[in-house]
Amino acid sequence: GESVGLHLPTLSVQEGDNSIINCAYSNSASDYFIWYKQESGKGPQFIIDIRSNMDKRQGQRVTVLLNKTVKHLSLQIAATQPGDSAVYFCAENAASGGSYIPTFGRGTSLIVHP
Amino acid sequence: DTEVTQTPKHLVMGMTNKKSLKCEQHMGHRAMYWYKQKAKKPPELMFVYSYEKLSINESVPSRFSPECPNSSLLNLHLHALQPEDSALYLCASSQYREQPQHFGDGTRLSIL
Repeated sequence: GESVGLHLPTLSVQEGDNSIINCAYSNSASDYFIWYKQESGKGPQFIIDIRSNMDKRQGQRVTVLLNKTVKHLSLQIAATQPGDSAVYFCAENAASGGSYIPTFGRGTSLIVHP
Repeated sequence: DTEVTQTPKHLVMGMTNKKSLKCEQHMGHRAMYWYKQKAKKPPELMFVYSYEKLSINESVPSRFSPECPNSSLLNLHLHALQPEDSALYLCASSQYREQPQHFGDGTRLSIL
């Protein structure tokens, strides 16, 4: 079946650097995308979302880019801090039979070195 | 603090036991979800409730039985589980469709 995947399972950066986490999706019917952060022992936490009618969306220190042509999504974190260390998941949402099904990607572990 | 509350935080049970996981939200969300998450893996969708009705069952074995008593509560009844069912069970809610999900911190379930 179609699924969301990630290119890099682990990303190590130095504090203060910018981080880029990538995500590839294959379901062309997906029209809403979300990035979540999951810290150890906690549930996923919403970071930022983007709808398919947009290419870019910015939040506080984070930017999400959507390239529908190649079905690619990225999360950019500016001035990465040790508190950003976590697993990051992208999730796509697609309508199916009257419902809306969220599907999570594989996840990227971000390690920030002080 | 999370706005979705799950109890218990940890649960150890034998394969012949019956137990229930509980989830509560007071954000007025009309969609609620159960996920299963194994270590170092993404959450896997199990069930979706929309306006208190089961709308999606992702081919989950019948030993997992969901229940939505009202718009704020979601239960997952467990019976005759297998050791491979040991995992983190996450509950989430959303306003519906194009809205992000709010997750609880999960119940860590261990099957002996």
